[in-house]
Amino acid sequence: EVQLLESGGGLEQPGGSLRLSCAASGFTFSSYGMTWVRQAPGKGPEWVSSISGSGGATYHADSVKGRFTISRDNSKNTLYLQMNSLRVEDTAVYYCAKGRQPIDYWGQGTLVTVSS
Amino acid sequence: EIVMTQSPGTLSVSPGERATLSCRASQSVSSNLAWYQQKPGQAPRLLIYGASTRATGFPARFSGSGSGTEFTLTIDSLQSEDFAVYYCQQYNNWPQTFGGGTKVEIK
Repeated sequence: EVQLLESGGGLEQPGGSLRLSCAASGFTFSSYGMTWVRQAPGKGPEWVSSISGSGGATYHADSVKGRFTISRDNSKNTLYLQMNSLRVEDTAVYYCAKGRQPIDYWGQGTLVTVSS
Repeated sequence: EIVMTQSPGTLSVSPGERATLSCRASQSVSSNLAWYQQKPGQAPRLLIYGASTRATGFPARFSGSGSGTEFTLTIDSLQSEDFAVYYCQQYNNWPQTFGGGTKVEIK
């Protein structure tokens, strides 16, 4: 059974940093691209970043490019999202998801709140 | 960026009736179109991929069709567990983009 467990969310001030982690199990992690998707309260999902199975290819939305970095450690079956220079508009539930094209399984999400 | 437009925003349907949801892309996405179902307090769940392939765990009353820029999700004989928000998403081009969603509610 696929399991994706996100952690690292919380309350942070504008300009601050957070690092999200996603522990994966139930599938061969290194064989799959992975994705972060966020969803602001009451809004639809927004794709944030994707990474290939090897980690050699990464993609970021323009809204986070230069501030967020997706990475993975295949030896630990873990996906990361380093978020710097946080803005109020980054407030959302952040979902770790298996797959890139398409996304075929979503974790339960971790809430990131950016507020002073 | 490809803009995905879903209609209607809200669809009121009686149990047992058919629901037809539309999704339009601002440019061709071939068949690289997915549909997701989201219930309150839950993560989205993949329903349809490749425009018409049903994901594991969903019954045959769910069907997807279309290619290029026009797509349709049809739910035959709506059951109580089908009332939810449905999102389309294109994964043909980066950035991947989602539609604004259609809420299917009980009439």
